[in-house]
Amino acid sequence: QAVVTQEPSLTVSPGGTVTLTCDSSTGAVTSSHWTYWFQQKPGQAPRTLIFDTKNRHSWTPARFSGSLLGGKAALTLSGAQPEDEAQYYCLLSFSDSRVFGGGTKLTVL
Amino acid sequence: EVQLVESGGALVQPGGSLRLSCAASGFSFSSNWMHWVRQAPGKGLVWVSRIKNDGSRIDYADSVKGRFTTSRDNAKNTLYLQLNSLRAEDTAVYYCVKDQPIDAWGQGTLVTVSS
Repeated sequence: QAVVTQEPSLTVSPGGTVTLTCDSSTGAVTSSHWTYWFQQKPGQAPRTLIFDTKNRHSWTPARFSGSLLGGKAALTLSGAQPEDEAQYYCLLSFSDSRVFGGGTKLTVL
Repeated sequence: EVQLVESGGALVQPGGSLRLSCAASGFSFSSNWMHWVRQAPGKGLVWVSRIKNDGSRIDYADSVKGRFTTSRDNAKNTLYLQLNSLRAEDTAVYYCVKDQPIDAWGQGTLVTVSS
C-alpha cells in the first residue's frame, strides 16, 4: 500500500499563515484521491476539517482551506489562532484502501 | 445528531480474539459506507477497514488482512470488527467512522494486547 507523507512538525505565529502538505509515494496527488484533512487535539477523537480536497464542513472555520499544490494536497491556515494548535492528518483514497499521513504537529507560537 | 458509540475493547492476550461493536444513530446507517480506524498510544491514525452500505464490499489494510473481519447489521444499526490472532502491535484505540463524506467519529474503544 502507498505511503503518505506529511511534515512532522510546523510552527506558525498567531495571526500568521502556514501550509501543511500531503504527499503520496505513488505519484502526484490529484482530485481523484478525494483528500481529507483532520484535526486532533490531545485526548479527543479526530474532527474532519476538509473533504474531497477543498470542501469545508459546516463547522470548519473559514481560515482553513484545502487545495492541490505542486503535486501534493495542501491545507492552508490563514490567520492562525491559539486554538489551532493540534495534530493534523491527511487521508488519501486509493482504489481499495485509504491511507493516512503520519500527521503534522502544528504549534502556534 | 449523529452518534457513534464503540464498545468491546479489553485487555487480551497475544493470539486472542475480540469483537468490537459500533452502535450508530442519528443518520440512515444503511445508506452509508463505514470505516474502522485505529490509533496506537501516542502514535498516528491508521486506516483499518471499510465496508459498503449493504456489506457487499469490504476492504482491509494489509496489516490486518486475514486476521480482522468487518461486518454490519443494518437492522440493528451496528458495525462490527472481529479481531483474531491479536498481536502486541494491534494495541490501539479503535474508532468507527461514518463516510459519505467522513464527518463523524466515535469516541473510540481501547484494545490492549499483552500477556
